[in-house]
Amino acid sequence: SQQGEEDPQALSIQEGENATMNCSYKTSINNLQWYRQNSGRGLVHLILIRSNEREKHSGRLRVTLDTSKKSSSLLITASRAADTASYFCATEETSGSRLTFGEGTQLTVNP
Amino acid sequence: EAQVTQNPRYLITVTGKKLTVTCSQNMNHEYMSWYRQDPGLGLRQIYYSMNVEVTDKGDVPEGYKVSRKEKRNFPLILESPSPNQTSLYFCASRRGAGGFEQYFGPGTRLTVT
Repeated sequence: SQQGEEDPQALSIQEGENATMNCSYKTSINNLQWYRQNSGRGLVHLILIRSNEREKHSGRLRVTLDTSKKSSSLLITASRAADTASYFCATEETSGSRLTFGEGTQLTVNP
Repeated sequence: EAQVTQNPRYLITVTGKKLTVTCSQNMNHEYMSWYRQDPGLGLRQIYYSMNVEVTDKGDVPEGYKVSRKEKRNFPLILESPSPNQTSLYFCASRRGAGGFEQYFGPGTRLTVT
């Protein structure tokens, strides 16, 4: 079954603004990962946050994880047109054998 | 260069004609997976493999087969393709369980008429 659900489904912002995407999940996890997909291409890993971490940064990316609410957020600061893509969260279950993905958020950054 | 390769990249076939999509990784990864991506449904896992000769069903395994005879290869077999298997397919691999990033192939766009 699908583990993660992203919100919103689509987001359109202007260049320079911040973009926030949310992910909710249902079961206990080892870690949560965020991926990016440019149209029709393979997904690319962005960042991983473990279940015992609350916040992580990588460049213009900031990820938070709230295991009590079973939710995560991805913040992209000072967005650029090149950030236009679909963003997916993926959860690794505590058994570690599966990595399941949500439906994604389509982000459009207008120049 | 570390990569996951898939072939073919594009395939148009007819209902019932058996086909195989190959997948290979050069990173000595233990875990490999197949996903399909459909509009509005995100990525759904078809099958995964935790090591050679170890495979298990994902969320949508019906109509698909896989094998893992070598660590680097994980082919996806459609014995009798049907139009509802028209989709974008991704192979992926990761080092193992416990917090490793997953690497994706470029995708195979399959159309079954």
